[in-house]
Order: sequence, then C-alpha cells, then structure tokens
Amino acid sequence: RKEVEQDPGPFNVPEGATVAFNCTYSNSASQSFFWYRQDCRKEPKLLMSVYSSGNEDGRFTAQLNRASQYISLLIRDSKLSDSATYLCAVNRGGGADGLTFGKGTHLIIQP
Amino acid sequence: GAVVSQHPSRVICKSGTSVKIECRSLDFQATTMFWYRQFPKQSLMLMATSNEGSKATYEQGVEKDKFLINHASLTLSTLTVTSAHPEDSSFYICSASGVGTRRNEKLFFGSGTQLSVL
Repeated sequence: RKEVEQDPGPFNVPEGATVAFNCTYSNSASQSFFWYRQDCRKEPKLLMSVYSSGNEDGRFTAQLNRASQYISLLIRDSKLSDSATYLCAVNRGGGADGLTFGKGTHLIIQP
Repeated sequence: GAVVSQHPSRVICKSGTSVKIECRSLDFQATTMFWYRQFPKQSLMLMATSNEGSKATYEQGVEKDKFLINHASLTLSTLTVTSAHPEDSSFYICSASGVGTRRNEKLFFGSGTQLSVL
C-alpha cells in the first residue's frame, strides 16, 4: 500500500457544484495532516490543516478519520478558480521530519 | 507569512554539467530545509532533509554524492545536481521550517526550479 494515496482524477465538475476528495494514508504514527493546492509547475500552497474535529474555511471543509486513516476535502459552490491539483500531505511521524505527499487529485471546474 | 526565495526558476543545461539551486529564507531562520523533487504527474518526493550546520539526511535511493546539499547558514540552503543527466530533469522545490514557524507542521515552499538536462 502506498504511503499516501489519492484518486488522480481528473474530476470534471460544473461551476457551483460540490466536490469531495478523499486521501488515505498508511502510517498510523502520522499526527499532522494537510491539504495543499498546486497549480501547474508552481509550488504547493497550503490550503488548510486537517484536525480530528474537522475544520471549515469558507467553502472548504476538511475531515480526518483516524480509525480508517483517511482525510477528506469538500469544496462547496465551486468556482472556476478552484481548478488545480489538490495534494494531501501527511507528516511522517515517529520523530521523522518532512511531509509525505499524495500524487494529487486534478480538479477541473467547467463553466 | 514566512517567505522562501528559490533561484533559479528554470535551468536548461547540457548533460554532464552541474547545476546549483539556492533557497533563502527571507524573514525567518530556517533551521530545517527539505528538498523535494517532482516528476510530471507524480507526487512531491522528499529527497533529503538538512539541518543548519550538519550533514543532510538523504532518503533511500537518493545519491548523496550526486545531490549535494549545503545548509551552512540559517537563511541559505543549496542543492547542487552534479554531472546532470537527462533523467535528472525534474521540478525541484525546497521547503523550510524553523524559528518563527511551527516545526514540522507548516512548511514554507520556494517557488521551485524546473531543471531540463539536454
């Protein structure tokens, strides 16, 4: 099983729709979880951290399920500008530094 | 927020040459610098972790003699790709954490370097 797995997509979604992504991780020692947004050949930008209690930032909601070892990202009322690749990232745990990234899910918002 | 400046943004070089990539933390002290590599449609893969003033820790499968990392100061880390070959063509990106950032939780990324080896 890969350390961090995501459905690569692409997800083609009409503007205004709601879209959700999942990401599974294999390292049960991981303690920190994140969603990043990456535009083509640019650096990833932190979208939001993911907490056990779930967290919301505007149209974006992130959830963590430790028992099943997955995190999710929900985007409501999607905008054309949401088109990007969404990477989930998990810290490596066990005292090791650095993040392990998924391959990313490619989202295309269509007018 | 913390800013990491990475140069150059794009390099095209001949096979066999060496290429140096610099990352500078502009408004915080980067005690730890992570170097990643990303091939097209692939995930960011951690190559090595460097702590200021000590030798870098390389991930399995990454040749330390080929990818030289120097982190001599709290604001500068460099990655040198020695004797580059076409298979080294990739997007290289640094990220930093340290004083003024929450360690291992929030990373600040450079803008990346697209290396193309002919």
